[in-house]
Amino acid sequence: DTAVSQTPKYLVTQMGNDKSIKCEQNLGHDTMYWYKQDSKKFLKIMFSYNNKELIINETVPNRFSPKSPDKAHLNLHINSLELGDSAVYFCASNENSGANVLTFGAGSRLTVL
Amino acid sequence: GNSVTQMEGPVTLSEEAFLTINCTYTATGYPSLFWYVQYPGEGLQLLLKATKADDKGSNKGFEATYRKETTSFHLEKGSVQVSDSAVYFCALRTYNNNDMRFGAGTRLTVKP
Repeated sequence: DTAVSQTPKYLVTQMGNDKSIKCEQNLGHDTMYWYKQDSKKFLKIMFSYNNKELIINETVPNRFSPKSPDKAHLNLHINSLELGDSAVYFCASNENSGANVLTFGAGSRLTVL
Repeated sequence: GNSVTQMEGPVTLSEEAFLTINCTYTATGYPSLFWYVQYPGEGLQLLLKATKADDKGSNKGFEATYRKETTSFHLEKGSVQVSDSAVYFCALRTYNNNDMRFGAGTRLTVKP
């Protein structure tokens, strides 16, 4: 019973295409995130939503658009894909209290050719 | 702003060797500190945490002590195993901040 699940796990596509990655958490958490991990394993936050409301929006090209239909889901849509978008994208969630431990999904590896 | 600096890898050790991965932080306020581990092909998992100065987090033989005076949270293990091979991330979060800041990650390889 996966806590944070992302689909697809692997995605290979051509430059210029539009693609989406979906994320769902069944933990009842209030806050969800998208992180990007590059080939050197550096992890950078992209977006954060709290109860469907955008609260963190780092310097990310506007080709990236997050959507949160409800607090259990946070999807990431990417328009006009570029080679530099190739990375592993991680979804994560946490409660709004305590030490705020993040629970991560297994990652979605995007390869842009 | 808040940031984390951890030692660059990769680190290669023989089984049963002693491990230290250094982590220092810069933060306004009083952060909570974390070590996450990422095994090959998987997402990050919490390894241990400490929420206030002098707290020691521990799990699976790993330990880290929150040192406010040196702004450090170094990860240690007395005897590593091949199964400890992974990428280790130091991270911090302040109470009023929804953003978890990660270090650059340190890849550990343990050889039999």
